[in-house]
Amino acid sequence: GNSVTQMEGPVTLSEEAFLTINCTYTATGYPSLFWYVQYPGEGLQLLLKATKADDKGSNKGFEATYRKETTSFHLEKGSVQVSDSAVYFCALSDLGGGADGLTFGKGTHLIIQP
Amino acid sequence: EPEVTQTPSHQVTQMGQEVILRCVPISNHLYFYWYRQILGQKVEFLVSFYNNEISEKSEIFDDQFSVERPDGSNFTLKIRSTKLEDSAMYFCARTQGGLAGLGGNEQFFGPGTRLTVL
Repeated sequence: GNSVTQMEGPVTLSEEAFLTINCTYTATGYPSLFWYVQYPGEGLQLLLKATKADDKGSNKGFEATYRKETTSFHLEKGSVQVSDSAVYFCALSDLGGGADGLTFGKGTHLIIQP
Repeated sequence: EPEVTQTPSHQVTQMGQEVILRCVPISNHLYFYWYRQILGQKVEFLVSFYNNEISEKSEIFDDQFSVERPDGSNFTLKIRSTKLEDSAMYFCARTQGGLAGLGGNEQFFGPGTRLTVL
């Protein structure tokens, strides 16, 4: 079946630090990959996506590259801000595997300190 | 632009009671989804709904759960007899057009309903 594995949190960084949140996946088909963000008390918001190998999704200074050879979709940001504090979820959609719901990782809680 | 709205924002119920969670899409979308997130855990797919029929459901979506779109607008999730372990955030989502995964057709989530079963 499909699965997504994310690095365990919480991840605590200082403002302006470089961020990497690792995400790897297994899928039976050829998935699309997503990063969602959940701010405190809110629902899930799409942060970025990639639909094929070597695609780079980017938004709000965050980026992630679809690496088929390593089955990874790591999230990066060069300089984080306090407002980036949230829970980040890596997810995949694998229609080729017969599943039309998203498969999520467990989420990584990011804490940015001033 | 709010993608979908959900009501209520918080529902408290007694074990064994029936609850109905509602999702109101902004426009006339075809594909809808329900997910749940138990506190501190990952978001889990429950069911997808297309053209007024269930398209796919997970192992979690047992006979206690049902979905419908009774008036062609609201999209509801009913839990027939709630259990303590049903306490969670329930998210409704929709896609822009077709199934998620087709050309990276992402899902847009509502703010969620927090269900507390006592």
